[in-house]
Amino acid sequence: EIVLTQSPGTLSLSPGERATLSCRASQSVSSSYLAWYQQKPGRAPRLLIYGASSRATGIPDRFSGSGSGTDFTLTISRLEPEDFAVYYCQQYGPSPPKTFGQGTKVEIK
Amino acid sequence: EVQLVESGGGLVQRGGSLRLSCAASGFTFSNSWMHWVRQAPGKGLVWVSRINTYGSSTNYADFVKGRFTISRDNAKNTLYLQMNSLRAEDTAVYYCASPGGDPDYAFDYWGQGTLVTVSS
Repeated sequence: EIVLTQSPGTLSLSPGERATLSCRASQSVSSSYLAWYQQKPGRAPRLLIYGASSRATGIPDRFSGSGSGTDFTLTISRLEPEDFAVYYCQQYGPSPPKTFGQGTKVEIK
Repeated sequence: EVQLVESGGGLVQRGGSLRLSCAASGFTFSNSWMHWVRQAPGKGLVWVSRINTYGSSTNYADFVKGRFTISRDNAKNTLYLQMNSLRAEDTAVYYCASPGGDPDYAFDYWGQGTLVTVSS
């Protein structure tokens, strides 16, 4: 089973600042199978990034994903008020389980 | 518009059973692999189970193997999760999710979730 470790646990930033979130895997993940989700309180997760770097439909271009192998990054170039939320990475390779990281909370400083 | 609507959650005693349903619309359900993901209160997302388009292949997380059963009815566009021998640690919001038509895609579609509370 691939274990995903996200850091930091909490990121305290101001609107307009840049957010950099990390996701590290216990073994190599094909870049085709790494996703990022955003979740707000009381809501279902929303797909942001798939294939490590491709934005899902309707996702603003301030969100970008990068990385390969065991190290992946989600960057939010300029935080908007609606971006304060919890972010999860997930590896969704062909073989289960489709593990998630433990999440990074982006909070208003 | 794609919709996944879960139902069947509620309060159940430890050792009891519950069946969750997920009604799908707005996409070709019968061509889509389906998953269940859960989230304990204040905790992160955890993958639970998946089923292929025909219902002939299923997979489970180790912590639910032998207790939970995933199934589907393509004629009714509905996904199910039969949960038996429930434990306090099964308390969570249960989401159905789908990658749409490509089984090796990320989870593009999510329901709103249904809360299962197991009392001890």
